[in-house]
Amino acid sequence: TQLLEQSPQFLSIQEGENLTVYCNSSSVFSSLQWYRQEPGEGPVLLVTVVTGGEVKKLKRLTFQFGDARKDSSLHITAAQPGDTGLYLCAGGRYGNKLVFGAGTILRVKS
Amino acid sequence: NAGVTQTPKFQVLKTGQSMTLQCAQDMNHNSMYWYRQDPGMGLRLIYYSASEGTTDKGEVPNGYNVSRLNKREFSLRLESAAPSQTSVYFCASSDLWGGTTYEQYFGPGTRLTVT
Repeated sequence: TQLLEQSPQFLSIQEGENLTVYCNSSSVFSSLQWYRQEPGEGPVLLVTVVTGGEVKKLKRLTFQFGDARKDSSLHITAAQPGDTGLYLCAGGRYGNKLVFGAGTILRVKS
Repeated sequence: NAGVTQTPKFQVLKTGQSMTLQCAQDMNHNSMYWYRQDPGMGLRLIYYSASEGTTDKGEVPNGYNVSRLNKREFSLRLESAAPSQTSVYFCASSDLWGGTTYEQYFGPGTRLTVT
């Protein structure tokens, strides 16, 4: 069983649409990270959130950490083809290991 | 500054063969990790090294061994490859961030096929 459940698994949308990806767990994490991975490459960190209720914005991407530090969401406004990729959430525990979700494959069509 | 480098990029092995995947980082990070990535399963931790001289098992260590050669290098060895080890392998490194979190930096991956 996956400790971090991501939904949806796949998302195919038109350019300009908005979307939200969810990352849920029954466990509490000290931090929550979001990574983006393009085909043939390793994941690249987008953001880290550490405080319950925290909201961070990165251009058209908005990340939120749940109040209880068990869940997170990634919202993309006006998606563009360049946003296409695999989005992974990862929960940090006190220590230096991360637990990854299975990922959401996003395809933005022009 | 190359970040995290991995060799080889691609490898095909026959069942029972052995090989070592190499990883090096130039960011002076203390911690290094090996993951495997399979479709629909995200990244699963094989082994990690919190600091030079230490290694620990992760979620899926069976069939693998590791060596932290020095602070820069962390290798992963498959002693007797099996088809179930067909996967994409990623090395990552991190250091302490903000006191409680560890941002990880990933290499480009090694695509391994075992026939």
